[in-house]
Amino acid sequence: EAGVTQFPSHSVIEKGQTVTLRCDPISGHDNLYWYRRVMGKEIKFLLHFVKESKQDESGMPNNRFLAERTGGTYSTLKVQPAELEDSGVYFCASSQEVGSAYEQYFGPGTRLTVT
Amino acid sequence: RKEVEQDPGPFNVPEGATVAFNCTYSNSASQSFFWYRQDCRKEPKLLMSVYSSGNEDGRFTAQLNRASQYISLLIRDSKLSDSATYLCVARTGGAQKLVFGQGTRLTINP
Repeated sequence: EAGVTQFPSHSVIEKGQTVTLRCDPISGHDNLYWYRRVMGKEIKFLLHFVKESKQDESGMPNNRFLAERTGGTYSTLKVQPAELEDSGVYFCASSQEVGSAYEQYFGPGTRLTVT
Repeated sequence: RKEVEQDPGPFNVPEGATVAFNCTYSNSASQSFFWYRQDCRKEPKLLMSVYSSGNEDGRFTAQLNRASQYISLLIRDSKLSDSATYLCVARTGGAQKLVFGQGTRLTINP
């Protein structure tokens, strides 16, 4: 079974540009999460989808970030316009169900550098 | 104050040694706890869940103390392959988001 995949693995953009990150969860996983780790800080939650609906977007830093999951399959996270402080590693995770018994499986991450 | 706090280390120990990490959490509403392992430039992977009664998985033992709000991880007979960053993670009941500590870097030396 394929794991969570993310694209691209690396992205280098200039301040003010737009970047779109993609996440493909494990097949059949209704729950999809975005997290990010900025330099020197802990991994922080951004948002949680259940199928195509946003269940919790309390971690989204500001309105420059837009996450979508049309059709309840893959998800995109768009940053527009990007700022220097957006640099970091963006992880996607998925789980079959919710609850502590259901592991969140993480993708390899997208390393975003804003210059 | 961070919701989950860990000593970032680094911890450098010889192969075969026993090493212990602690972490504390500030949100008393946290209900579930986990240790994740993250290798350099890789994704976090679940190492083990942590239960109040304590649980063991091979050389790894995890313990939760709700009264003091701390979680521990003990690694016995450490192997070179145990070198990684260990992430202490909490989840608040009703919410699905994971709250991570900053991680403790462990290096096992031959």
